[in-house]
Amino acid sequence: AQKITQTQPGMFVQEKEAVTLDCTYDTSDQSYGLFWYKQPSSGEMIFLIYQGSYDEQNATEGRYSLNFQKARKSANLVISASQLGDSAMYFCAMRRPISSGSARQLTFGSGTQLTVLP
Amino acid sequence: GAGVSQSPSNKVTEKGKDVELRCDPISGHTALYWYRQSLGQGLEFLIYFQGNSAPDKSGLPSDRFSAERTGGSVSTLTIQRTQQEDSAVYLCASSSSLTAPFFGPGTRLTVL
Repeated sequence: AQKITQTQPGMFVQEKEAVTLDCTYDTSDQSYGLFWYKQPSSGEMIFLIYQGSYDEQNATEGRYSLNFQKARKSANLVISASQLGDSAMYFCAMRRPISSGSARQLTFGSGTQLTVLP
Repeated sequence: GAGVSQSPSNKVTEKGKDVELRCDPISGHTALYWYRQSLGQGLEFLIYFQGNSAPDKSGLPSDRFSAERTGGSVSTLTIQRTQQEDSAVYLCASSSSLTAPFFGPGTRLTVL
C-alpha cells in the first residue's frame, strides 16, 4: 500500500522568502509519480508540479521546485519568493505506475496549510 | 470547455433522498477519479475508472454509493438514502497516461 506523510499541518512564511513543504512517502513500487497540488480557500485543486521516480533531475515549474530524494523517499516542495497568493493548503500525492492497471488512483497526504505574511 | 466540469456546483438534499453528481472529464482522458473532501479534511478516494477496465471501487464507503462511466466519458456518482455524514465536497479528476490528474471545481453536497 502507498502512504504519503505531510508532517507540517501549518506553516508560516514571510512574503518574498522561500519555504519548503515536507512530504515523505512509502511504496513498494519501483516506478511511481509524485505530485503537488494547491488548494486555495476557494476549494479548487490546482496541479503544481510532477516528479517521476526515474527522473534524474528535480522538477521545476516557475517558482515551484521539487527536492526529490529517492533514497530518503522524500519529495519536498520548495516555493521561492513567496507571494500573498500562495496562501493555501498544499497536498502531496503519489500515483502507481501504468502497469498497476486499475489500482492507479492518487494517494494524498493530509496537507499543509501555508500562510504567507505581508 | 477545456477543463473538468462538475454539476451541480451545490446540492442541498434531505436525509434519505438519493442524489446524482455528474462529472465531465477532459476530452481524451481515459482515467477518471472521484474523491470526497469533508470540511477542513484531506481527500478521501472513492472510485477510479481507467478506460474499459473494471473500476477500482475500493474507496466507496458503503453500498449506498455507486458510480458509472458511460462511453468512457461522463461519470455519475450516485448516493442513495443520503445521510448527514455524506455532506462533503465531491471532487472529480481526469487524466491521460501522460498527464497529471486535473480536478474539477467540485460539488458541495449538504444533507439536512
